[in-house]
Amino acid sequence: GAVVSQHPSWVICKSGTSVKIECRSLDFQATTMFWYRQFPKQSLMLMATSNEGSKATYEQGVEKDKFLINHASLTLSTLTVTSAHPEDSSFYICSARAGGQGYSGNTIYFGEGSWLTVV
Amino acid sequence: AQSVAQPEDQVNVAEGNPLTVKCTYSVSGNPYLFWYVQYPNRGLQFLLKYITGDNLVKGSYGFEAEFNKSQTSFHLKKPSALVSDSALYFCAVSRANSGNTPLVFGKGTRLSVIA
Repeated sequence: GAVVSQHPSWVICKSGTSVKIECRSLDFQATTMFWYRQFPKQSLMLMATSNEGSKATYEQGVEKDKFLINHASLTLSTLTVTSAHPEDSSFYICSARAGGQGYSGNTIYFGEGSWLTVV
Repeated sequence: AQSVAQPEDQVNVAEGNPLTVKCTYSVSGNPYLFWYVQYPNRGLQFLLKYITGDNLVKGSYGFEAEFNKSQTSFHLKKPSALVSDSALYFCAVSRANSGNTPLVFGKGTRLSVIA
């Protein structure tokens, strides 16, 4: 199946600093990627839809100035948590819809996730 | 708007017994339905999907799910559970032919298979 790579797997940062998380589709092009946040023992909360070459679409209640999303190419989207605070500590997961030759049916593949701990 | 309900927070089953994880959905129009599994501290792994065609869908690791339009359900099943199947399972839905819209997830069901 399609592979989505997410980096770093885990990161610890100091309060007030910024952290960047990368999401790459390794064997397919993804015009759209999705960023989710997951709190312990809870479901995935959609944060934003990342569109290649245009601005991301944020869900209600998600601060676009705090969670900067850039989708610079068909295989890479980045999430930057700016001026991180302890309440931003969470598991962040990206996903991409695989389309084109060899892929069908709107299957969405997920990265392995990134644990962010802000101290 | 789409929504997914997974009525059980936890399902316990003995190894070797059949398992069922329930999912019902609400969507305008035809649905695309998915099951994903999440192991501790990991991302989501795709198990299976229903797009169109045969209502019984077979997926990875011996799992299958049956699409029931009248009951708006898409329950996940496996004839014989393994201890290694213990994980968190998510059902998800999107509206058919809806372009690049994200999936809507249920809250997840934790499956514990006891040896």
